[in-house]
Amino acid sequence: EPEVTQTPSHQVTQMGQEVILRCVPISNHLYFYWYRQILGQKVEFLVSFYNNEISEKSEIFDDQFSVERPDGSNFTLKIRSTKLEDSAMYFCASSAYKGESYEQYFGPGTRLTVT
Amino acid sequence: KNQVEQSPQSLIILEGKNCTLQCNYTVSPFSNLRWYKQDTGRGPVSLTIMTFSENTKSNGRYTATLDADTKQSSLHITASQLSDSASYICVVSAISPLVFGKGTRLSVIA
Repeated sequence: EPEVTQTPSHQVTQMGQEVILRCVPISNHLYFYWYRQILGQKVEFLVSFYNNEISEKSEIFDDQFSVERPDGSNFTLKIRSTKLEDSAMYFCASSAYKGESYEQYFGPGTRLTVT
Repeated sequence: KNQVEQSPQSLIILEGKNCTLQCNYTVSPFSNLRWYKQDTGRGPVSLTIMTFSENTKSNGRYTATLDADTKQSSLHITASQLSDSASYICVVSAISPLVFGKGTRLSVIA
């Protein structure tokens, strides 16, 4: 069964460094999402992406964040200058169609630790 | 403000027993409600999706109910198994994006 994959599974970085989290969505999906989950807290929406542009973003997704689909398979989240509070699990998700009736499939997540 | 509240926060049950998890939401306008299962350190996996007109939906031993008037949902797990130990997250969809609850941490013990 097709699944969303994410790399790395765990990333440790120093405050102020740039990180890139990578995702490979399900191959025929067109809509892509990033979420984060701070330890012990709920999952929070960051950004949605379709047709090579951001569809929607949350207040969390400030100028330090950017997303890109550099080729036909990868979907990346870049954090330009990491802060301690960026430490969290980051989940990528994809869906075949736009609209809230359609299933989003989540990847296993990348645990980001900022020291 | 769109919010999803879940109870209990955590629950321990014996293997083979049933349990019911609760979800209350104040999300408007409402599109659909989903229950996800999240194993520790993994991404959420969908169990059910219900629209406004659906009152109940089953997926194996999982049965979700929805009362759109009172804005409440429940997830009933029948004949629990050790592998049911996970967090169960209620997620409500407005126009977009998804609004997540904090989850109920279920532990099934032998």
